[in-house]
Order: sequence, then structure tokens, then C-alpha cells
Amino acid sequence: EAGVAQSPRYKIIEKRQSVAFWCNPISGHATLYWYQQILGQGPKLLIQFQNNGVVDDSQLPKDRFSAERLKGVDSTLKIQPAKLEDSAVYLCASSSPTSGNIQYFGAGTRLSVL
Amino acid sequence: GENVEQHPSTLSVQEGDSAVIKCTYSDSASNYFPWYKQELGKRPQLIIDIRSNVGEKKDQRIAVTLNKTAKHFSLHITETQPEDSAVYFCAASIFGGSQGNLIFGKGTKLSVKP
Repeated sequence: EAGVAQSPRYKIIEKRQSVAFWCNPISGHATLYWYQQILGQGPKLLIQFQNNGVVDDSQLPKDRFSAERLKGVDSTLKIQPAKLEDSAVYLCASSSPTSGNIQYFGAGTRLSVL
Repeated sequence: GENVEQHPSTLSVQEGDSAVIKCTYSDSASNYFPWYKQELGKRPQLIIDIRSNVGEKKDQRIAVTLNKTAKHFSLHITETQPEDSAVYFCAASIFGGSQGNLIFGKGTKLSVKP
């Protein structure tokens, strides 16, 4: 089966600019996760969707981060305005009960904020 | 909330030796403990996982042990090979729950010297 697709792979922006990342989960996976991975650390959950509904966004900095999954398939994560400390890899993952609820990760988007 | 500690942060072994990485967790409700391998610039990939109803699981050269009483679990890699060099992350979650998001350790950089 095709894996989790993310784009772009790399993005360089200046602070205070906005940026958006896109994720296409594995076909049929109802649950989608966005993680932030700062260099040298493990991934940290930002938001979890079940179909098009938000299950957990408790660690999403809502003053600058937003995410949507309007049709319950693709998802977009946006940062506006970006700060230096947002430099990280943004990983998308998806899971499904039919796949044992194992989380499969995309390759991520590496964001550099200058 | 759940907190996962992982040790050591770096580990260097000679090819053919064994490697052991240890993690502790804080939330006794956690019942699912996956291990992910992440090569430089690539996506985290699940290599083995264990659920709390099992004390040990093995897959060829990789094994994971779980001590629920002490709240710690370990990854064991035998007969290490240069291609085992990567960053390994442990994680914990409440599997099958409405959330199920993974709480990751900070990672262990394993270097296998030929």
C-alpha cells in the first residue's frame, strides 16, 4: 500500500511569515496525526483527527497554528506567523483499526525559520 | 500526563555486539509500547511493539521486554550490523483508546562500528 505522503519536503521562511504543510494519509486511515519533531528530540503530538473531527489539540499553539481535515482525508497544517522556535520537522502519521492501529509516518516537512 | 524517559542518548557498539536501550514511563494506564527507528532525514519506522499483556516479544535480532510493575521497557538488538545505525525512539500510549497518541522518548543514537 502507498505510504503517508507529505509536501513540501523542505521549506525555508523568515519569521513572521506564514507556511502550510500538506498530508495525504494511507488510503482508508480514519485517524491522522500531526507531530512536531525538534532537532534532537522525539516527535511531539500537535493534533489528532478522527475523520474530519479533532480528537486532541491540547498541545497545538492555537494562537499561531491551525489544522484542518475538511473531507476526512487530506490535512493541512498552517503556521501564521512563524517564530524562530518553530524550526522543526513536521511529521504526519495515520492509523486504522484494520492495520492494527499502528501509526505510519510520512517523511516529514523540514521547516527552517530564519 | 504520560512522560517517557529514554537512556542512553547515544550508544556506540562494535559490529556483532548487542545493544540495549531502556525506557521508563509514568502513566500506569499506558498499555502499548512501540519502538521506531529513524535514519537520518527519513521517516520513523516501526520496528517492534509490545502490549501490556505480554512480557517479551522477539523478531529475529530484535526483542523488547516489558516490566509493568517497574514501568520500564527495553529494546535489545543482537548481532548488530552497520545498517542498524540510526536513532531509535521508544513511545507509550493507551492503545485502542479514543486518543491513542504516542508519547515519545528523546531518542537514542546508535552507532555500529564495522
